[in-house]
Amino acid sequence: KQEVTQIPAALSVPEGENLVLNCSFTDSAIYNLQWFRQDPGKGLTSLLLIQSSQREQTSGRLNASLDKSSGRSTLYIAASQPGDSATYLCAVTPGTYKYIFGTGTRLKVLA
Amino acid sequence: GAGVSQSPSNKVTEKGKDVELRCDPISGHTALYWYRQSLGQGLEFLIYFQGNSAPDKSGLPSDRFSAERTGGSVSTLTIQRTQQEDSAVYLCASSPTGFSGNTIYFGEGSWLTVV
Repeated sequence: KQEVTQIPAALSVPEGENLVLNCSFTDSAIYNLQWFRQDPGKGLTSLLLIQSSQREQTSGRLNASLDKSSGRSTLYIAASQPGDSATYLCAVTPGTYKYIFGTGTRLKVLA
Repeated sequence: GAGVSQSPSNKVTEKGKDVELRCDPISGHTALYWYRQSLGQGLEFLIYFQGNSAPDKSGLPSDRFSAERTGGSVSTLTIQRTQQEDSAVYLCASSPTGFSGNTIYFGEGSWLTVV
């Protein structure tokens, strides 16, 4: 059974710091991995999608990497801002449509 | 609207009552998902609809839960004889084709509290 773990569960950093969020999964047979952002009381917004054949994706200050063989992904946020404060979730797809989510990392960027 | 719309946004119900949660997916999206997010927990898959195909109901936690999708668009999740452990946020999402290579779009959720 696929399990997705995110470490740390919570993180507090000063504004401007670069940071890394971690995601690990137990079964390397995945179609892709997505990183999402969830603001309090809101739904999820997709940030980056990495196909199984890819190793990384970039969008603005965000960079996500994928190492399927080791069952790991990282989300790198450069020059963090208070507006980046949210919960970040990763999800893997073991098949063609079902997403399995981690429990998330709650990020707080202090001004 | 442009996004996934869910109603009600908040619902407080008494234990034992039935509730219905509604989801309007993005127009033209053939895939529709229901997930449940309990306090401090990750998102739990409930059910998946793809076009006119039989839904994947493998995530529904008990026979008190059911869902339907009418005309390949609007979906309703029904919880019968609600229990306190049903308290959670119920999130609906849609995707253009259901293939996981597409971006999935979530609604803001229906917050259910069973008292």
